[in-house]
Amino acid sequence: AQSVAQPEDQVNVAEGNPLTVKCTYSVSGNPYLFWYVQYPNRGLQFLLKYITGDNLVKGSYGFEAEFNKSQTSFHLKKPSALVSDSALYFCAVRDPPKWNGGYNKLIFGAGTRLAVHP
Amino acid sequence: GAVVSQHPSRVICKSGTSVKIECRSLDFQATTMFWYRQFPKQSLMLMATSNEGSKATYEQGVEKDKFLINHASLTLSTLTVTSAHPEDSSFYICSAPHNTGELFFGEGSRLTVL
Repeated sequence: AQSVAQPEDQVNVAEGNPLTVKCTYSVSGNPYLFWYVQYPNRGLQFLLKYITGDNLVKGSYGFEAEFNKSQTSFHLKKPSALVSDSALYFCAVRDPPKWNGGYNKLIFGAGTRLAVHP
Repeated sequence: GAVVSQHPSRVICKSGTSVKIECRSLDFQATTMFWYRQFPKQSLMLMATSNEGSKATYEQGVEKDKFLINHASLTLSTLTVTSAHPEDSSFYICSAPHNTGELFFGEGSRLTVL
């Protein structure tokens, strides 16, 4: 079964410093990996995804993630954190599209709360 | 970008009543929509997959008679919490896959059952 793990409940970073939010995955076959961000009492916003190709994926708001097959990781990174980046971050995985083009469900990690301090 | 609208954003109801939450894809069609439940400080738990024109597929442990899901059209899915109780209080989020492969989420509905 597909699964993702986010080992950190919370990450604290000073504004201007680089940030990393960790994610490891367990899948059979080639993974489709995603990062989403959630602000309080809001839905999820898409940040980036890895399906195939370049291991370094660039996404919204200056975020990027590196797919590492040997370490089964897909850590989220940003070179310089902003206070406004403070939010809940979710890593997610899903199977590739079904044979009939159907969309497979997304499985989320537990989430990591990012706190960026001024 | 594509938009998924969820309504109501907040609802308070009395124990024993039923509450309906709507999820609409505003500028694209979705034959499938996903309903998630999120407890405080916890991750999103997939409840069910709604399928336009057929029955929803429920995840293990989710009571299908409690959480009624109807996918009436290519742009609308509804979740009805029947005979709600305080333990049903939660944040419910729907999502719909776009043909680009991206999954778009509604803004969520916070249900409080008194």
